[in-house]
Amino acid sequence: ETGVTQTPRHLVMGMTNKKSLKCEQHLGHNAMYWYKQSAKKPLELMFVYSLEERVENNSVPSRFSPECPNSSHLFLHLHTLQPEDSALYLCASSQDLVGVGTGELFFGEGSRLTVL
Amino acid sequence: GENVEQHPSTLSVQEGDSAVIKCTYSDSASNYFPWYKQELGKRPQLIIDIRSNVGEKKDQRRAVTLNKTAKHFSLHITETQPEDSAVYFCAASGTGRRALTFGSGTRLQVQP
Repeated sequence: ETGVTQTPRHLVMGMTNKKSLKCEQHLGHNAMYWYKQSAKKPLELMFVYSLEERVENNSVPSRFSPECPNSSHLFLHLHTLQPEDSALYLCASSQDLVGVGTGELFFGEGSRLTVL
Repeated sequence: GENVEQHPSTLSVQEGDSAVIKCTYSDSASNYFPWYKQELGKRPQLIIDIRSNVGEKKDQRRAVTLNKTAKHFSLHITETQPEDSAVYFCAASGTGRRALTFGSGTRLQVQP
C-alpha cells in the first residue's frame, strides 16, 4: 500500500456531465500532482500543488479544474469533457517538489475515465 | 522545457537475457533521472534512480548509466525474469523544477 488512494477507480461520463476525481495521500507529503496517461504517450503533467498552492498549470484546458483544500487531498473537477479526454488520470505525491526533495513520486492506482 | 525521449517502445527478450532501455533528455540542467516500473493495471513505482554526480548505479539485477555529455541515460536489466514484464518509464528533472518529465515508456515482455 503506497498511501495514495484515488476514487473512483473507473468513471464513465457523457460530454455534458460534471464529475470529480478524488485523491488522498496518507504520507504527510507536501506536494501533489495530477498526471494524464494515454495509450502510447508519456505521462503528461497536468497540475502541481505545493502546500495547497498551485505552482504549475501545464497548459491544461479549463474543462479540467483542480482543487487542493489541504495538503492531503487533491481533486480534479471535470466538466464538458471531450472523448479525447478519455485516459487514466494518475495522482501522485512527493515529500517536497521534485526539484527540492528526494524526487520520488508515489502514485495512486489511477482513475480510468471514459468520455462518451 | 525538458523533453525526454525513450527507446524502444516495445522490447521482447527471452528469460535470462539482458534488456536495455535508453533515454535522452534535452535540458543540460537536469540532474535527477529516475526509472519507474508499471505492471499491468498497477500504479507506476520507482525502481532505481541516478543523480548527475555519478555515472552508474547498480541494484541487484538492475543498473542505470548516465552520460551527461551526450545527455542520455540507460536502464540495464540482467538475467531477466517473467516478473520483469511491465512498462518502464524514464524521467528527468532538476534543481528548481517542480515535477518530473517522463519518457513515453517501453513495454518489456520477458518470454519464459
